Amino acid sequence: GQNIDQPTEMTATEGAIVQINCTYQTSGFNGLFWYQQHAGEAPTFLSYNVLDGLEEKGRFSSFLSRSKGYSYLLLKELQMKDSASYLCAVMDSNYQLIWGAGTKLIIKP
Amino acid sequence: ETGVTQTPRHLVMGMTNKKSLKCEQHLGHNAMYWYKQSAKKPLELMFVYNFKEQTENNSVPSRFSPECPNSSHLFLHLHTLQPEDSALYLCASSQEGPSSYEQYFGPGTRLTVT
Repeated sequence: GQNIDQPTEMTATEGAIVQINCTYQTSGFNGLFWYQQHAGEAPTFLSYNVLDGLEEKGRFSSFLSRSKGYSYLLLKELQMKDSASYLCAVMDSNYQLIWGAGTKLIIKP
Repeated sequence: ETGVTQTPRHLVMGMTNKKSLKCEQHLGHNAMYWYKQSAKKPLELMFVYNFKEQTENNSVPSRFSPECPNSSHLFLHLHTLQPEDSALYLCASSQEGPSSYEQYFGPGTRLTVT
């Protein structure tokens, strides 16, 4: 079967760095997405990785290792507004997104 | 503003009611999706429409009936729902192509079945 695993909840301090991990087992691979979802709002796109390595975009970076079926989202200089759920999703061989259950990130002052 | 709108934002309905959810995308995309989001569970893909043709239904119960009259509008017709159908229903759209599969989501309809 297809499976995406990510931690249910994480807590971090304002100004710090946090890494949210995602491991996957899917039928084929056509890229991995990270989305951010604030409570009561729509998920919004953060990043897309299809090749191994690190993609940096401002305070957010995303890493992919296809051989290990592993990705992480790195958030630097955390701000209170970063409190949200972070969703990992993999596009399988049929170009359908397989979603993780999301990681709820709590930022404390 | 994400370019994808959904109405209503909140809906409470009894198990014998019939209601419809509406989604509209203003992005010129050619694919639209319905997802179900339950607490602490992964997003569940319900239906996919590509160029107005349904391409995926993922064994969704027949009490959910999609309609896609054109590439900008998507409906989800609901009838004789069960309490376990209470969830957030998200609509999304994308421009499918060799390098563009990012999905844009609407704010969702919070459905409560009593």
